[in-house]
Amino acid sequence: NAGVTQTPKFQVLKTGQSMTLQCAQDMNHNSMYWYRQDPGMGLRLIYYSASEGTTDKGEVPNGYNVSRLNKREFSLRLESAAPSQTSVYFCASSLQGGVDQPQHFGDGTRLSIL
Amino acid sequence: GDSVTQMEGPVTLSEEAFLTINCTYTATGYPSLFWYVQYPGEGLQLLLKATKADDKGSNKGFEATYRKETTSFHLEKGSVQVSDSAVYFCALSSSSASKIIFGSGTRLSIRP
Repeated sequence: NAGVTQTPKFQVLKTGQSMTLQCAQDMNHNSMYWYRQDPGMGLRLIYYSASEGTTDKGEVPNGYNVSRLNKREFSLRLESAAPSQTSVYFCASSLQGGVDQPQHFGDGTRLSIL
Repeated sequence: GDSVTQMEGPVTLSEEAFLTINCTYTATGYPSLFWYVQYPGEGLQLLLKATKADDKGSNKGFEATYRKETTSFHLEKGSVQVSDSAVYFCALSSSSASKIIFGSGTRLSIRP
């Protein structure tokens, strides 16, 4: 009963380093999402993938890239980390991107950029 | 564009008090509305949803009614418990987009 699994749970990087956040879901969902959560700002969508083979920018895509590796996996990459990217990152999935489809979330990755 | 506005927190209540967290929305078309809850150190979990006007979503003693005339989806609970302490997010999913738009969240703390 894993649902959405994110790795790692915690990470500290130095400015300029690169890193990939991993996300996998076992619910056979078509759509997957990456959010960042910052104090007082709720969740902001970084990128999403409506279906395998497609990706689209969300509200705050700058400084990030994504890969929908297969139906299960959707990774988020920081090519050159900046202190402004210090945040909690959440991956989510839904059966499809329809109007009444809720999203299922992982437990998050807490990322600090020094 | 579509948006969600919810009351700012933090909200602090005593155990067994009545809870209301206000949420209003702006959207084209006919959105579905959600409340999510986030417990400390965890991701968001769906609490309840409503997919059309006048629908009432309910779960774990929480309720919210989809009011199209006032574009609102206020969360209520008649008697809160310490275990309800969490951050609550109102959200909408509109027919014009394949994603969910979240409000900024309301932190709720319940005193024993």
